[in-house]
Amino acid sequence: AQKVTQAQTEISVVEKEDVTLDCVYETRDTTYYLFWYKQPPSGELVFLIRRNSFDEQNEISGRYSWNFQKSTSSFNFTITASQVVDSAVYFCALSPKQGGSEKLVFGKGTKLTVNP
Amino acid sequence: DAGVTQSPTHLIKTRGQQVTLRCSPISGHKSVSWYQQVLGQGPQFIFQYYEKEERGRGNFPDRFSARQFPNYSSELNVNALLLGDSALYLCASSLTGVHGYTFGSGTRLTVV
Repeated sequence: AQKVTQAQTEISVVEKEDVTLDCVYETRDTTYYLFWYKQPPSGELVFLIRRNSFDEQNEISGRYSWNFQKSTSSFNFTITASQVVDSAVYFCALSPKQGGSEKLVFGKGTKLTVNP
Repeated sequence: DAGVTQSPTHLIKTRGQQVTLRCSPISGHKSVSWYQQVLGQGPQFIFQYYEKEERGRGNFPDRFSARQFPNYSSELNVNALLLGDSALYLCASSLTGVHGYTFGSGTRLTVV
């Protein structure tokens, strides 16, 4: 079965602090994709990154960075020098390849609050 | 370019009624998926359609149904509404799923 665990329900930091959001996944598939989405209060899910299971290179995009470790089935997300606008719920998701369906399996999300 | 558009944005229905939610994908996107997000939880997969054919179905009762039209827009129907169907319903489109999904702002359904 596919499962995504985001153990941190809520995190609160002060602006300019670095923060890491944890994501651990379970799958028996050898080929799969991992995603991070941001959900601001407006409700729309905003795509942040997609990573396939064969690419373990870390990625940096501005203040955002992602650490994919297949050995520990983790795909963690770090925000450097956090800003108030980063306040949102962040979801990690897994997309297994099964029978032609390309569904996303989401974790329960981590609510990040960045205080001024 | 227009993103994924969903209508209506908000809806209040009574238990036992039926509801139809609509989704227009990004131009050129042939895959549409539906998700249910209950307050405080992550989205749960309901359906995926690709080229008007059902590609996947989540663990939802038969009261939930969907279809995709020749222009790739989609409808989600829910019959015999229950209080537990109250949620944010999200539609997502993609060229193919693995290229990453773009989500709409959702329809917030309240069943009273």
